[in-house]
Amino acid sequence: GGIITQTPKFLIGQEGQKLTLKCQQNFNHDTMYWYRQDSGKGLRLIYYSITENDLQKGDLSEGYDASREKKSSFSLTVTSAQKNEMAVFLCASSILTDNQDTQYFGPGTRLLVL
Amino acid sequence: GDSVTQTEGLVTLTEGLPVMLNCTYQTIYSNPFLFWYVQHLNESPRLLLKSFTDNKRTEHQGFHATLHKSSSSFHLQKSSAQLSDSALYYCALSETSSGQKLVFGQGTILKVYL
Repeated sequence: GGIITQTPKFLIGQEGQKLTLKCQQNFNHDTMYWYRQDSGKGLRLIYYSITENDLQKGDLSEGYDASREKKSSFSLTVTSAQKNEMAVFLCASSILTDNQDTQYFGPGTRLLVL
Repeated sequence: GDSVTQTEGLVTLTEGLPVMLNCTYQTIYSNPFLFWYVQHLNESPRLLLKSFTDNKRTEHQGFHATLHKSSSSFHLQKSSAQLSDSALYYCALSETSSGQKLVFGQGTILKVYL
């Protein structure tokens, strides 16, 4: 078994602030993902990475940067927090099983911008 | 691009009644993978079941779904709802070729009452 940890669990920021969210996994998975979860909008992919130092943009990458420093960690930066923004950011990782990746999710970081 | 549609935002029913959550998709790929993820309150999403075989029923933990490519559907069903089934359910799609990018539907909240 393994675990995905996300830090911080809660993040309160100011408008215009640069905010960084961190994710660690000990599954030894190759691929890692960042999703944004908003009520009624499902999970939207921000960035993903198929290996260390690789970055692939998702549908929601504008306004975000990401960094895959090593295989076990994947960071997401909100480049300029928007006032009254409230969302949950979910990190996930995956390994190829049955010719299809199964994604495992972390507990999430809850963001509130004042 | 690919898309997944879950028409119901909220489904409420009494314990013991059958469950059906709708999922339809659009994709240019002829062999998509379809998934159902479940997210209980204060937990992260986890895989419930998945399929890529046309017209084959897939079952897990009392739930089942059948991928029908002719109608681009992958509805989730259960014969008898339980209180513990109350959760947020996501249908998701992946292209066979990459197997790494999931496109999620908007999610359906299932609330089961006594």
